[in-house]
Amino acid sequence: DVKVTQSSRYLVKRTGEKVFLECVQDMDHENMFWYRQDPGLGLRLIYFSYDVKMKEKGDIPEGYSVSREKKERFSLILESASTNQTSMYLCASSFGPSGGYRGYTFGSGTRLTVV
Amino acid sequence: GNSVTQMEGPVTLSEEAFLTINCTYTATGYPSLFWYVQYPGEGLQLLLKATKADDKGSNKGFEATYRKETTSFHLEKGSVQVSDSAVYFCALSDKAAGNKLTFGGGTRVLVKP
Repeated sequence: DVKVTQSSRYLVKRTGEKVFLECVQDMDHENMFWYRQDPGLGLRLIYFSYDVKMKEKGDIPEGYSVSREKKERFSLILESASTNQTSMYLCASSFGPSGGYRGYTFGSGTRLTVV
Repeated sequence: GNSVTQMEGPVTLSEEAFLTINCTYTATGYPSLFWYVQYPGEGLQLLLKATKADDKGSNKGFEATYRKETTSFHLEKGSVQVSDSAVYFCALSDKAAGNKLTFGGGTRVLVKP
């Protein structure tokens, strides 16, 4: 069964900490995405990547960065965590050319609490 | 830009009731349309999709028809079960926007026995 695996289901971090959220997919997908999910706001795109070592800003990139050194791994980095970054973070991946109509595969999510 | 609007929840139903969740969209191009489902404590799963006008996506008893004239993709199920309790997201993917998914706000559905 194809999978997108997020390293942690729950995380609690302190304000100002540097936080790494890891995502690994085993489907040889070209595209990878990071979303955050908040009540009443749905899913909002933070960053995405169409290839190794490339990244593009999504709709809400402020306060975040990403790294994609290998095709299967896409990391989201909170440089200095703040309480307004408390959220559910969802990683997703898709094929490159056909991702638009084949849809994405999502991980189970990481619920991050910043205290 | 692209946007997806879906009815706000929560929607509370009794088992075996008929479910409809409305979804309308705005897109610059000619999008593909999706419904995703999120069960408690889990990530999103693709429920069904449609890639062109008048296509009907279906899965697990759920159906949705791509209506270009009304820019809609309403989700329906004839007889819901308690196990259908979840959050449902309508989404679109538009080649003009780099094939990124744009999501609606989600609709929570609670089915009571």
